[in-house]
Amino acid sequence: GESVGLHLPTLSVQEGDNSIINCAYSNSASDYFIWYKQESGKGPQFIIDIRSNMDKRQGQRVTVLLNKTVKHLSLQIAATQPGDSAVYFCAENRGKAAGNKLTFGGGTRVLVKP
Amino acid sequence: DVKVTQSSRYLVKRTGEKVFLECVQDMDHENMFWYRQDPGLGLRLIYFSYDVKMKEKGDIPEGYSVSREKKERFSLILESASTNQTSMYLCASSKAGGGGGYEQYFGPGTRLTVT
Repeated sequence: GESVGLHLPTLSVQEGDNSIINCAYSNSASDYFIWYKQESGKGPQFIIDIRSNMDKRQGQRVTVLLNKTVKHLSLQIAATQPGDSAVYFCAENRGKAAGNKLTFGGGTRVLVKP
Repeated sequence: DVKVTQSSRYLVKRTGEKVFLECVQDMDHENMFWYRQDPGLGLRLIYFSYDVKMKEKGDIPEGYSVSREKKERFSLILESASTNQTSMYLCASSKAGGGGGYEQYFGPGTRLTVT
């Protein structure tokens, strides 16, 4: 079936370096994508989103890139901090025909080394 | 700020018990969702609701039912709990979509253990 997946289950990064988390999706009808951050013991928190009519969107220290040609999504975190240690999920909206339901990837754990 | 609250953070139940998980949101969102989260499997949609009294099956509805009697409240029911329903349960809410989806806001989760 169609799914959202991740290339790297765990990413170790030195504090201050940039982090890149990748996500592949397979549903060409998906029109909206979200990145969530989940810290231990908490529910997922919204980080940034992007619609399919955009290639790039920037937030505070985060950038999401969308490549629809290869169905690839990435989250870049600039100057990674200890507080960025968490599991990051990408999610795709399956489109209006599918009831705007989200499909989540399995998650990537980011570990920030001091 | 949007707030989604869940009635319990931790719950331990015995096999065969009926279990109620409650979720309340305070942003007047039309849509509400129940997911379960298991290691390596990500979040999987159990049920969702677009409006009061309305419910639709998600990807893994078997063994679960839901109730939405009020807009702000969405309940997940395990009619007869089984050990394979041991999991983290997450509730979420979102605005109703127009041309596309909206971000979902999540509660803190309920860690359910069925023994």
